[in-house]
Amino acid sequence: QKEVEQNSGPLSVPEGAIASLNCTYSDRGSQSFFWYRQYSGKSPELIMFIYSNGDKEDGRFTAQLNKASQYVSLLIRDSQPSDSATYLCAAWMDSSYKLIFGSGTRLLVRP
Amino acid sequence: GAGVSQSPSNKVTEKGKDVELRCDPISGHTALYWYRQRLGQGLEFLIYFQGNSAPDKSGLPSDRFSAERTGESVSTLTIQRTQQEDSAVYLCASSLNLAGNNEQFFGPGTRLTVL
Repeated sequence: QKEVEQNSGPLSVPEGAIASLNCTYSDRGSQSFFWYRQYSGKSPELIMFIYSNGDKEDGRFTAQLNKASQYVSLLIRDSQPSDSATYLCAAWMDSSYKLIFGSGTRLLVRP
Repeated sequence: GAGVSQSPSNKVTEKGKDVELRCDPISGHTALYWYRQRLGQGLEFLIYFQGNSAPDKSGLPSDRFSAERTGESVSTLTIQRTQQEDSAVYLCASSLNLAGNNEQFFGPGTRLTVL
């Protein structure tokens, strides 16, 4: 089992819809979670950081964390074609100082 | 201010040659990380530095890989006797320190192609 798992997609949504990206992790010791966006041929850039159970909102983005279910999600409201990218979920391992990435979900927003 | 920079941006080498990849972190960032990303894959953690110390080298794929860092500045990742499976994008990131709530800022990467 991979430490951080994501559906590779592609997830295709129409412009203006809500895109829901999901991630599960295996290490219960993980406390901090990150969502990075990576455009094709570019390096990852941080979208959201969450460490408390519940929701965290920033503009059109909402991260959700459920530590009991070991589940992290990212919702993108009013999806735009410019949101089309690969979204990487990552879990910070306090015990080893490693940020473990999932393989990413490719999102396509159709105009 | 300047972000993380990496050089070269592209490197094509022949199997068996050694390569050296360079990373310049953001000034003041004590933590530095190296990742490998194969085509269509996620990021594979290789090694981290706190200052010039790398306490855990277990993420390096083989003993052909080594890394060093000068103070809290430049880091180099060296791959000896390159193999075709080493072909990937090598990404460097830096953060203020090793705390888990710190954003890692990524450089543009070095695309390594081993022929």
